[in-house]
Amino acid sequence: QKEVEQNSGPLSVPEGAIASLNCTYSDRGSQSFFWYRQYSGKSPELIMFIYSNGDKEDGRFTAQLNKASQYVSLLIRDSQPSDSATYLCAFEGGSQGNLIFGKGTKLSVKP
Amino acid sequence: EPEVTQTPSHQVTQMGQEVILRCVPISNHLYFYWYRQILGQKVEFLVSFYNNEISEKSEIFDDQFSVERPDGSNFTLKIRSTKLEDSAMYFCASSVGDSSYEQYFGPGTRLTVT
Repeated sequence: QKEVEQNSGPLSVPEGAIASLNCTYSDRGSQSFFWYRQYSGKSPELIMFIYSNGDKEDGRFTAQLNKASQYVSLLIRDSQPSDSATYLCAFEGGSQGNLIFGKGTKLSVKP
Repeated sequence: EPEVTQTPSHQVTQMGQEVILRCVPISNHLYFYWYRQILGQKVEFLVSFYNNEISEKSEIFDDQFSVERPDGSNFTLKIRSTKLEDSAMYFCASSVGDSSYEQYFGPGTRLTVT
């Protein structure tokens, strides 16, 4: 059974701080990893993807991948109240690209 | 910026009725997906579709479900005889390639079965 584990939170950080979100996955053969943001009642919105070991930065977001440890993380620098949402970790679960999602970590950024 | 669209935004139906959920993927995308999310639970894969045929499906996607691309733009999910447990948000997604390509999600259709 291919699975993604995430701490459900809530994770609460003050405005301007760094938020750190973590995820582990079960399928050692997975190559592609994605972070989606989901506001309450809305659809998942892609914010980062990473395929190679190491760090990938995009604006305030940094994704980190460690395939040996089957671990992927997302750092949000200078957190804003508008970043308050549930963050979904996903990996590619099949040859046709279907995504396996975690339950998500709820982030709350306090002004 | 191109986006995936879905209609209707909310569908209420009685148990046993057929429903069709509609999606218009991003125009240059070739791979299409349906996912569902039961309230408070994680997003679950239902089916992937490429070149006018199903390429992969999950255990959830049983004989009650079908997908179709009736024309060059629409992609539909049909549930033949709805059950109470089909109540969920249904998301359509599309991508330009299969594995290792980013999937973009539509706004979803909230299906309520009474």
